[in-house]
Amino acid sequence: AQTVTQSQPEMSVQEAETVTLSCTYDTSESNYYLFWYKQPPSRQMILVIRQEAYKQQNATENRFSVNFQKAAKSFSLKISDSQLGDTAMYFCAFMTRFVGSARQLTFGSGTQLTVLP
Amino acid sequence: DGGITQSPKYLFRKEGQNVTLSCEQNLNHDAMYWYRQDPGQGLRLIYYSQIVNDFQKGDIAEGYSVSREKKESFPLTVTSAQKNPTAFYLCASSSDSLSRYGYTFGSGTRLTVV
Repeated sequence: AQTVTQSQPEMSVQEAETVTLSCTYDTSESNYYLFWYKQPPSRQMILVIRQEAYKQQNATENRFSVNFQKAAKSFSLKISDSQLGDTAMYFCAFMTRFVGSARQLTFGSGTQLTVLP
Repeated sequence: DGGITQSPKYLFRKEGQNVTLSCEQNLNHDAMYWYRQDPGQGLRLIYYSQIVNDFQKGDIAEGYSVSREKKESFPLTVTSAQKNPTAFYLCASSSDSLSRYGYTFGSGTRLTVV
C-alpha cells in the first residue's frame, strides 16, 4: 500500500515571499501520478498541480512549481510571490498508474499554510 | 455547468440514527468516491465505485454503506454502527480515461452527532 507523508502540519509565509511545502511518499511502483490539492476555508478541494512520474521535467503552473525527486520519493511544492488567497490547507496525494485499478487517491495529512500581510 | 453536488451542507444526527448523504454528478464520470476528513488526518477513503451496481470498501468502511444504482448518484449512509461519525465528508468523481488528471470534488457535508 502507498503512504504519503507531510511532515509540516503548519507553515506561515510573508506576502510576496516564497515558501516550500514538503511531501514524501512510499511506493513500489515505477509509474504513478502525484498531485497537490488546495483546500481554502470554503473547504472546496482545488487541484493546484500534478506530476506524472515518468516525466523528469518538474511541473509548473504560474506561481506554483514542484521539485520531484523520484529516487528520493519526494514531491515538494514551491509557491512564489505568495498571496493572501494562498492561505489554505495543502494536501499532497498519490495515484497509481496501474491500468485496471480503481485509481484511488491516497492523501497526506496536510499542511496548513497561512500567508501573512 | 458540470460538477458534483453534495447535500445537505450541514447535517445533524442523533445517536442511534442512520443518515444518508447525497452525492450527484453530471460529468458522466464512471468512478465515484467517498472520503472522510478529520482534523490532522487528511482524507481517508470510505467507499468507491467504478461502475453502476458495483462498489468496493476503502480503508474505513466499517459503519458505512453505499449504493450505486445510477451512474450519476452515489449516496452514503452513515449507520448507527459508526462509533464516531462527526466529520466532514467529501464526495469525488473521476473519468477512467482521464483519472490521471485527478478527481473532481463536491463541496462537502459536515455531519455532527448531537
